[in-house]
Amino acid sequence: GAVVSQHPSRVICKSGTSVKIECRSLDFQATTMFWYRQFPKQSLMLMATSNEGSKATYEQGVEKDKFLINHASLTLSTLTVTSAHPEDSSFYICRAGTANTEAFFGQGTRLTVV
Amino acid sequence: GENVEQHPSTLSVQEGDSAVIKCTYSDSASNYFPWYKQELGKRPQLIIDIRSNVGEKKDQRIAVTLNKTAKHFSLHITETQPEDSAVYFCAASQGGYQKVTFGIGTKLQVIP
Repeated sequence: GAVVSQHPSRVICKSGTSVKIECRSLDFQATTMFWYRQFPKQSLMLMATSNEGSKATYEQGVEKDKFLINHASLTLSTLTVTSAHPEDSSFYICRAGTANTEAFFGQGTRLTVV
Repeated sequence: GENVEQHPSTLSVQEGDSAVIKCTYSDSASNYFPWYKQELGKRPQLIIDIRSNVGEKKDQRIAVTLNKTAKHFSLHITETQPEDSAVYFCAASQGGYQKVTFGIGTKLQVIP
């Protein structure tokens, strides 16, 4: 399958700071990026969907001002967790695809807010 | 929106036995049902999928069945091996390969 690279794989940050997570499609142009959050022993919850060059569509209950998503190019999308709090600690994972192909997951980012 | 329920949440089987995971979905418009395997600390990997115009699909030791009328689908793993141990997620989508709703996951443990 196609290669989707997500960085960093792990990050620890202090409460109140912001963290940026990058998701890159290495060998294809991803018109659509999905961002998920996964709490321990729980399922993957969709946070938002972004299409290249457009504003992201957020799922109900997800604060768009707290979780900033940028999809400025066909190979890069970023998720910025602003003013992070301990309850934001989670596993964040992107999924990149095109209109007519399977979408592929990045490696995921383990965020710990202390 | 779509709601996908999955059970059991945990499943232990002896090596060589079969494992079955069941899911139901709520939206009759859903037409694509992928299954993912997630090993500890790793990304989910697509292992098999089925579309709504097919009732059953098999790939070596893995098979999926779909009952559109009842809105449920199942994953069957035969001759289980220790490396099958992982968390398995079912999912449903009405957008083809795109936006999917995941089940809660089943932690499968294969005991040698």
